[in-house]
Amino acid sequence: AQSVTQLDSHVSVSEGTPVLLRCNYSSSYSPSLFWYVQHPNKGLQLLLKYTSAATLVKGINGFEAEFKKSETSFHLTKPSAHMSDAAEYFCVVSIYGNNRLAFGKGNQVVVIP
Amino acid sequence: DTGVSQDPRHKITKRGQNVTFRCDPISEHNRLYWYRQTLGQGPEFLTYFQNEAQLEKSRLLSDRFSAERPKGSFSTLEIQRTEQGDSAMYLCASSLGAPNTEAFFGQGTRLTVV
Repeated sequence: AQSVTQLDSHVSVSEGTPVLLRCNYSSSYSPSLFWYVQHPNKGLQLLLKYTSAATLVKGINGFEAEFKKSETSFHLTKPSAHMSDAAEYFCVVSIYGNNRLAFGKGNQVVVIP
Repeated sequence: DTGVSQDPRHKITKRGQNVTFRCDPISEHNRLYWYRQTLGQGPEFLTYFQNEAQLEKSRLLSDRFSAERPKGSFSTLEIQRTEQGDSAMYLCASSLGAPNTEAFFGQGTRLTVV
């Protein structure tokens, strides 16, 4: 069965410093992987996706993620955190065949001024 | 606005009452999904439709829950005889049927059962 693991449910970063959110997945097939962001009182928004093309994926708002098959990882990074990055971030794997999504438990990111 | 819309945004109901939520997907999307999110957790899959056909239901979807998509457009999710454990955010998403396409989410309906 496909699943994702996100450790560190709460992550604090100082404004202007790098952000790193870790995600490891398990999948019987070549996975499609996504990162979604959820701001308070707003819907889930797609940050970026990996679908077996380039392993380094660039997304919106300066985020990027690298797919590493050997490590079964899809970590999300951003060089410099901004106050507006404070939100909850979900790593997601798409289930082969029906495209339903399996979510990780999420990382709540706090940005310290 | 051409995104996924959900109605109502908030619902407070007494235990034992029935509630119904509506989701309007992006018009050209033939797949529609329902998820449930509780505090501190990621969304969990409930069910999905390909056009009007309900193709999969999670074990989370007890017999008190029913979902429909009668004409392959909007969908409704009904919960009968609500329980306090049903309190959660109910999210709807839609996508094209092609493999590996992303899902677009509505803002959700927050249900509180008192």
